[in-house]
Amino acid sequence: AQTVTQSQPEMSVQEAETVTLSCTYDTSESDYYLFWYKQPPSRQMILVIRQEAYKQQNATENRFSVNFQKAAKSFSLKISDSQLGDAAMYFCAYRSANRDDKIIFGKGTRLHILP
Amino acid sequence: SAVISQKPSRDICQRGTSLTIQCQVDSQVTMMFWYRQQPGQSLTLIATANQGSEATYESGFVIDKFPISRPNLTFSTLTVSNMSPEDSSIYLCSSRRKGLASNEQFFGPGTRLTVL
Repeated sequence: AQTVTQSQPEMSVQEAETVTLSCTYDTSESDYYLFWYKQPPSRQMILVIRQEAYKQQNATENRFSVNFQKAAKSFSLKISDSQLGDAAMYFCAYRSANRDDKIIFGKGTRLHILP
Repeated sequence: SAVISQKPSRDICQRGTSLTIQCQVDSQVTMMFWYRQQPGQSLTLIATANQGSEATYESGFVIDKFPISRPNLTFSTLTVSNMSPEDSSIYLCSSRRKGLASNEQFFGPGTRLTVL
């Protein structure tokens, strides 16, 4: 069975600085998707970034980028130029490329932005 | 993209009662899911809501406790039955278009349930 591990329950970063959230996963599959979701206090889950396992190039979305290390089964999220609105719970998630498969979430990392 | 609404957004209920949560998606989607998020925890999948057939439940969740309906492609309900304080959680509806594994999965705003 696949598992997703986020070892940092909480992190803090100074506004405008860069922070990296860690995520590791375990799977025997070769084709899958990895995601980072953001959940602010409003509870609305928002997809931040997605990585296809078959792509070697790391995904980027504006200030958000990932470091995808397939062999190490590592998928970290880097937030550059942190803003107050980035404060939220961040969940790393995995989904098999089987199109009907479910998303498996990590336990989350709560990110605090210090003004 | 898909916009998902849930009703109610929150409720406070008495032990032993039942609550039905509604989920409406603004576009036709083939996959709908119900998740539970206990306080300070991650999301746990309760079941996949199937149109025209019984929902597919994950380990630890049963139909008698969490009956689910899905009468069409855009609407589903989750009932939390015979509630106890341990059922106090956020319940989230989610949807995804079937077909491409890369299809994004969207989430509703959640229903915050408190059981006294």
